[in-house]
Amino acid sequence: DTGVSQNPRHKITKRGQNVTFRCDPISEHNRLYWYRQTLGQGPEFLTYFQNEAQLEKSRLLSDRFSAERPKGSFSTLEIQRTEQGDSAMYLCASSLMSEKLFFGSGTQLSVL
Amino acid sequence: DAKTTQPPSMDCAEGRAANLPCNHSTISGNEYVYWYRQIHSQGPQYIIHGLKNNETNEMASLIITEDRKSSTLILPHATLRDTAVYYCIAPRDYGNKLVFGAGTILRVKS
Repeated sequence: DTGVSQNPRHKITKRGQNVTFRCDPISEHNRLYWYRQTLGQGPEFLTYFQNEAQLEKSRLLSDRFSAERPKGSFSTLEIQRTEQGDSAMYLCASSLMSEKLFFGSGTQLSVL
Repeated sequence: DAKTTQPPSMDCAEGRAANLPCNHSTISGNEYVYWYRQIHSQGPQYIIHGLKNNETNEMASLIITEDRKSSTLILPHATLRDTAVYYCIAPRDYGNKLVFGAGTILRVKS
């Protein structure tokens, strides 16, 4: 069990650029979640997958955000045309069905 | 999810028990109470969960009142490494799509 892995750990980008983050869940976990966290706030739910199916998306997930989990293993979160308001920590978590969530260390995005 | 209310911050002396309260007066009969914590610059970490009965594991104890309207997370012998934000969550679905509030900042002091 190597835990949930997220890459990169840090990303600095200019406004208007596209960015993509990757999450590798714990291998046998069939559920994968994306959260966003800004300073001083708790994590906010963005979306989750069960296997390769995206089952729920938050209203926070605007049209500029897209998440995929093509083979039910790793997942990517892409943000197009980044804005300064997108600056946040992006957290990934995985679970085995509805059991407890295991979180990665996150990707810290800074949009200049 | 049932709304949960936690104090914004608490202090605890090292080696003493830390008792973190949580109110969840609107909780329904099938909603569990989960506790996670988040140490600075890390993702949240699962601590414990329960439905009706008190629960204990290697990290903490969870005491749930008989009417289930509140609970207390107990760290029996707090250490400096327990300094973190502690989140109490009562998800609508068992373990699914956790909705985090602001949590309680616990500061353990020597």
